[in-house]
Amino acid sequence: GQNIDQPTEMTATEGAIVQINCTYQTSGFNGLFWYQQHAGEAPTFLSYNVLDGLEEKGRFSSFLSRSKGYSYLLLKELQMKDSASYLCAVRDSNYQLIWGAGTKLIIKP
Amino acid sequence: DAEITQSPRHKITETGRQVTLACHQTWNHNNMFWYRQDLGHGLRLIHYSYGVQDTNKGEVSDGYSVSRSNTEDLPLTLESAASSQTSVYFCASGTGDAGELFFGEGSRLTVL
Repeated sequence: GQNIDQPTEMTATEGAIVQINCTYQTSGFNGLFWYQQHAGEAPTFLSYNVLDGLEEKGRFSSFLSRSKGYSYLLLKELQMKDSASYLCAVRDSNYQLIWGAGTKLIIKP
Repeated sequence: DAEITQSPRHKITETGRQVTLACHQTWNHNNMFWYRQDLGHGLRLIHYSYGVQDTNKGEVSDGYSVSRSNTEDLPLTLESAASSQTSVYFCASGTGDAGELFFGEGSRLTVL
């Protein structure tokens, strides 16, 4: 079966750095996505990786290793507004998105 | 600005009733999707469409149906609502190229 694993919840301090991991086992791979979802709101797109390596976008970076079935989202200089759930999703061989259950990130002052 | 809207945002209904959730997008996207989101689960695909008159079943399609008569709309119908269908429903659209999806604000459905 297809599976996306990410931690259920993480806590970090304002101003610090946090890394949210995602491991996947899917039938085929056509890209990995990270979305942010604030409580009670819609998911919004953060990043897309299809090749191995690091993609940087401001305070957020996303890393992919296809051979290890592994990705992480790195958030730097954490702000209170970064408190949200972070969803990892993989596009499989049928170009369907398989979603992880999400990681709830709690930022403390 | 282009957008994707869902209605109603909140709905309470009774078991056995028919319910329709509306989704309207002005992005002119060919691809539209319906997901449900429940605690402890990732977003689960209910139905999707790649264009007018095209509809496909997702992993949790039982008890749901959709129709695509134009580019802008993909209404989701629960033929006979069940308590197991209590959930938050998200509609999304995209071009399918870069894969980025644009989500509506969600519809919270409670079936009593």
